[in-house]
Amino acid sequence: GAGVSQTPSNKVTEKGKYVELRCDPISGHTALYWYRQSLGQGPEFLIYFQGTGAADDSGLPNDRFFAVRPEGSVSTLKIQRTERGDSAVYLCASSLIAGASTDTQYFGPGTRLTVL
Amino acid sequence: AQSVTQLGSHVSVSEGALVLLRCNYSSSVPPYLFWYVQYPNQGLQLLLKYTSAATLVKGINGFEAEFKKSETSFHLTKPSAHMSDAAEYFCAVTSRRALTFGSGTRLQVQP
Repeated sequence: GAGVSQTPSNKVTEKGKYVELRCDPISGHTALYWYRQSLGQGPEFLIYFQGTGAADDSGLPNDRFFAVRPEGSVSTLKIQRTERGDSAVYLCASSLIAGASTDTQYFGPGTRLTVL
Repeated sequence: AQSVTQLGSHVSVSEGALVLLRCNYSSSVPPYLFWYVQYPNQGLQLLLKYTSAATLVKGINGFEAEFKKSETSFHLTKPSAHMSDAAEYFCAVTSRRALTFGSGTRLQVQP
């Protein structure tokens, strides 16, 4: 079946602009995660959804970052007033069972965001 | 808080040689540990995971890892490296359901 998909695959924007990154999880997966991977680093957790609600948003770096998942499937990560330091690959993952630490997270290919 | 440390940002081995990628964890509670692989321009793919069922975990592509509580380690091994194993490998531990990743180890396989 289809895996996790993310669009766009690449996004170039100018400092101060607003961007939206989309994630389509695997069908039927309850949990959805966003991570950010900077060059040469491992992914860092941003936010976790259990169904439609954000169960843990402790990784969001500041209030310029926001994410939604209104119908419990597709999620959008929104970044306002982008800064050059926001440049990174944004990864989305989904897992079948919400709240199960051992459940495998399946990752999408990521969106590479470049802020000029 | 939980964390993982991957020793060696780059590892180079010859084709057919043993692969050993090191991971040490820090956790105040029994951890769940994962190894993921990332090929160029591709998403992260799960190699294997430790969920307390067995200390020696076998994964895909001939990889395995052993959980050693006394050493707080979860090193990844493969008896014989293939050229196709060249990639970046990440060790991770669960933290409130989200994964906490190490900084990664890039594996090079020399012909």
